[in-house]
Amino acid sequence: GAVVSQHPSWVICKSGTSVKIECRSLDFQATTMFWYRQFPKQSLMLMATSNEGSKATYEQGVEKDKFLINHASLTLSTLTVTSAHPEDSSFYICSARDTPGANVLTFGAGSRLTVL
Amino acid sequence: AQKITQTQPGMFVQEKEAVTLDCTYDTSDQSYGLFWYKQPSSGEMIFLIYQGSYDEQNATEGRYSLNFQKARKSANLVISASQLGDSAMYFCAMRDTFSVDSNYQLIWGAGTKLIIKP
Repeated sequence: GAVVSQHPSWVICKSGTSVKIECRSLDFQATTMFWYRQFPKQSLMLMATSNEGSKATYEQGVEKDKFLINHASLTLSTLTVTSAHPEDSSFYICSARDTPGANVLTFGAGSRLTVL
Repeated sequence: AQKITQTQPGMFVQEKEAVTLDCTYDTSDQSYGLFWYKQPSSGEMIFLIYQGSYDEQNATEGRYSLNFQKARKSANLVISASQLGDSAMYFCAMRDTFSVDSNYQLIWGAGTKLIIKP
């Protein structure tokens, strides 16, 4: 089946540094990927829709300059948390549809970010 | 407005028993899809089952079945013969706006934490 690989699984960084999270579709091409954030014991919150070759579409309230998304190829989307602060600590998870028009999202394993 | 409601924050179930996780939804669309995902403590989201609004039969996938009651706008997940490995968070989600595929959006419920007791 379709596989989405997300890296790193865990990252701890100092306040003020930037962290990049990668999301790769391993056996399919994804023109669109979705980035979610999940706070402890809460549901998924869609942050942005990453579009290959164009700008990401951000959800209301999500800072574009804080969460930079780049979707440079059909198999890779990256989320960079810039100048991270402790309040950015969270679980970030990406997903994609393995075929255009597919109903089901395939998720990466998620990345747990802790900002000290 | 579209909404998914999962009223059970947590459930304890004895191993081998069947369990029903509740999900109700609200949408004005005629065409929509309902999903259940499982999230173990490790964090990954695992797709379990899908039901389209026009599907006449309730969806089944192995031990998982979806009790779809369209008039009541409910889409409960039934897990038969529960196993210890079923302990996880379970999320119900809905997709509407099928008419615009480029505008793919899932609306998520708050989740239910299921714990299977040995």
